[in-house]
Amino acid sequence: DIQMTQSPSSLSASVGDRVTITCQASQDIRNYLNWYQQKPGKAPKLLIYVASNLETGVPSRFSGSGSGTDFSFTISSLQPEDIATYYCQQYDNRLTFGGGTKVEIK
Amino acid sequence: QVQVVQSGAEVKKPGASVKVSCKTSGYIFTGYFIHWVRQVPGQGLEWMGWINPNSGGTNYAQKFQGRVTLSRDTSISTAYMELSRLRSDDTAVYYCARGIPVANGMDVWGQGTTVTVSS
Repeated sequence: DIQMTQSPSSLSASVGDRVTITCQASQDIRNYLNWYQQKPGKAPKLLIYVASNLETGVPSRFSGSGSGTDFSFTISSLQPEDIATYYCQQYDNRLTFGGGTKVEIK
Repeated sequence: QVQVVQSGAEVKKPGASVKVSCKTSGYIFTGYFIHWVRQVPGQGLEWMGWINPNSGGTNYAQKFQGRVTLSRDTSISTAYMELSRLRSDDTAVYYCARGIPVANGMDVWGQGTTVTVSS
């Protein structure tokens, strides 16, 4: 199985800060990567698909990049409503989620 | 609009089976995969498998092979997940979600079904 390693596992930042999360695959997954946001008690929400494509209706402060084994997810200006846990997910070979990154406000 | 509605919470004893339903509406059921994902309390997301409602074809995560069965009833646009030989560590929220065609991800999620396994 392909392992997805996310870092950091948690972070604390101020409103307006630029936040970056990384996701590393255990093998080349081309650009077969999606990103999700999950708020407490809620189902996940798709934000980015195929590494860098913004899902319809998702604010443009969210972005993704990368290919091969190394990927990143960025919130350009953190907002209070962005408090959530973020997950990467590969689909090159079956599907696997990363361990998640919990984002909090400082 | 597109909706995915799951069946209610379940309490099961170890060794039993559970079957969760996932009723869809607002789109062509046979045009999109249905994925199942679970989340143990306080932990991350774990993909269990997908079903192609058109063909009935399935793909399971290795961890669950032999214990999980995905099925569907196209006449009522509903998918099902059955997990057998339940253990206490199967206590989790189980989600179904519609698959997106361009990337094997999930764009519309059910509300989740809590399955508690306890003697």
